[in-house]
Amino acid sequence: GAVVSQHPSRVICKSGTSVKIECRSLDFQATTMFWYRQFPKQSLMLMATSNEGSKATYEQGVEKDKFLINHASLTLSTLTVTSAHPEDSSFYICSARDLTGGVNGYTFGSGTRLTVV
Amino acid sequence: GQSLEQPSEVTAVEGAIVQINCTYQTSGFYGLSWYQQHDGGAPTFLSYNALDGLEETGRFSSFLSRSDSYGYLLLQELQMKDSASYFCAAIYNFNKFYFGSGTKLNVKP
Repeated sequence: GAVVSQHPSRVICKSGTSVKIECRSLDFQATTMFWYRQFPKQSLMLMATSNEGSKATYEQGVEKDKFLINHASLTLSTLTVTSAHPEDSSFYICSARDLTGGVNGYTFGSGTRLTVV
Repeated sequence: GQSLEQPSEVTAVEGAIVQINCTYQTSGFYGLSWYQQHDGGAPTFLSYNALDGLEETGRFSSFLSRSDSYGYLLLQELQMKDSASYFCAAIYNFNKFYFGSGTKLNVKP
């Protein structure tokens, strides 16, 4: 089945620095990828939709200048958390859709646990 | 985003049957999926309903009623390994997933 690789799985950074998270579709092309954030014991909240070759679309309340998304190829989307603060500490998960798999083709990455100290 | 409502926690014993309900907003609704997530892991796909009725996949079944804006996940013959969080996720406008608040299932011996 479709596989989405997310890297790194864990990262600790200092306040004020930036962190980049990568999301790759390994055996399919994904024109659209999605980025979610999940705080402990809470649901996954859609942050933004990453579109290959064009600007990402952000959900209401998500700062586009703080969470930079780049979808430069059909297999790679990156999320950069800029000027990180402790409140940005969370579990970030990407997903991508393999169009050949129908709705079952929405596959999630393994997630990145970000801790800002 | 869209709002989906689920019970926060359910407890049941091994071998029992559990139903987890989910209500959703109708505007732009396309279909309802269910995901399982163990602590620290990524969500894994369980089932999907686009049409009214019951979809059965082994011990797990999912039901949708579009007229009632309601669906449920039915877990039968519960096993200890089924202890996890279960999320309903609605697809809107053929593209975006919005997740419910999640239901923590505790399976006891």
